[in-house]
Amino acid sequence: GEDVEQSLFLSVREGDSSVINCTYTDSSSTYLYWYKQEPGAGLQLLTYIFSNMDMKQDQRLTVLLNKKDKHLSLRIADTQTGDSAIYFCAVSKGTDSWGKFQFGAGTQVVVTP
Amino acid sequence: SAVISQKPSRDICQRGTSLTIQCQVDSQVTMMFWYRQQPGQSLTLIATANQGSEATYESGFVIDKFPISRPNLTFSTLTVSNMSPEDSSIYLCSGNTGTEAFFGQGTRLTVV
Repeated sequence: GEDVEQSLFLSVREGDSSVINCTYTDSSSTYLYWYKQEPGAGLQLLTYIFSNMDMKQDQRLTVLLNKKDKHLSLRIADTQTGDSAIYFCAVSKGTDSWGKFQFGAGTQVVVTP
Repeated sequence: SAVISQKPSRDICQRGTSLTIQCQVDSQVTMMFWYRQQPGQSLTLIATANQGSEATYESGFVIDKFPISRPNLTFSTLTVSNMSPEDSSIYLCSGNTGTEAFFGQGTRLTVV
C-alpha cells in the first residue's frame, strides 16, 4: 500500500468540527506536517508536529499523533467555508531530510452552509 | 518563514520543446526541492536541488529529462526537457528553514 494514506473526501457543516486522518508506515518519520491547498494555489503550511509530541494546538487547529499506531489527525474547530480546500498530510525523516516529504493523496474538505 | 516565488505561473508548450522554471526565495533556505503534482494527484518529489553541485534525483526521475540548477542559496531552476503531454503537471519548488518547509505557488504546465 501507499506509504502515507488519507481518506479522499470529507463533507462538514459550517460551524462543526472537521477531523482529517492520516496514517503512515515509516516509523522513522520524525516530522509530520499538514498543508492546505486551495484551488489554483500552492501549498500553505498549516502546522506540524514532532514525533516526540502527542498533541499540538494552534488556534482552531489541533494535531494529534499516535506514534504507536502511526496515525496523525488534524482537527479544525468551528469549520468555516474558507476552510474548503485539499489538505495534505506529509511526513519527513527530519535532520538532513527536512522538506523532503512523502505526501498523502490529499483529503478534499467541503464545507456546507 | 520564507516566501517562494516561481516563474512562470503557467505555460502552454509544444511537445518536443523545453521549459525552464525559476524559483526564487526571499531568504536563505537550507535545502530546496522540486515536486511534481500530476492532475488530481498528490505531490511527488523529483529531486533535491544542491547548491553548486548536481541535484539528487528520486527514483524515476533523471537529469537528462529534468536538469536542475542551484547556483546560490536562494535560487533554483528546473527544466522540463523534450516535453510530451505526459509532462502536463504542476511543478512546485519548496525550501526549508529549519523544520518548516514552504512551497511556491507552482507552475501549471500544459503540453500540447
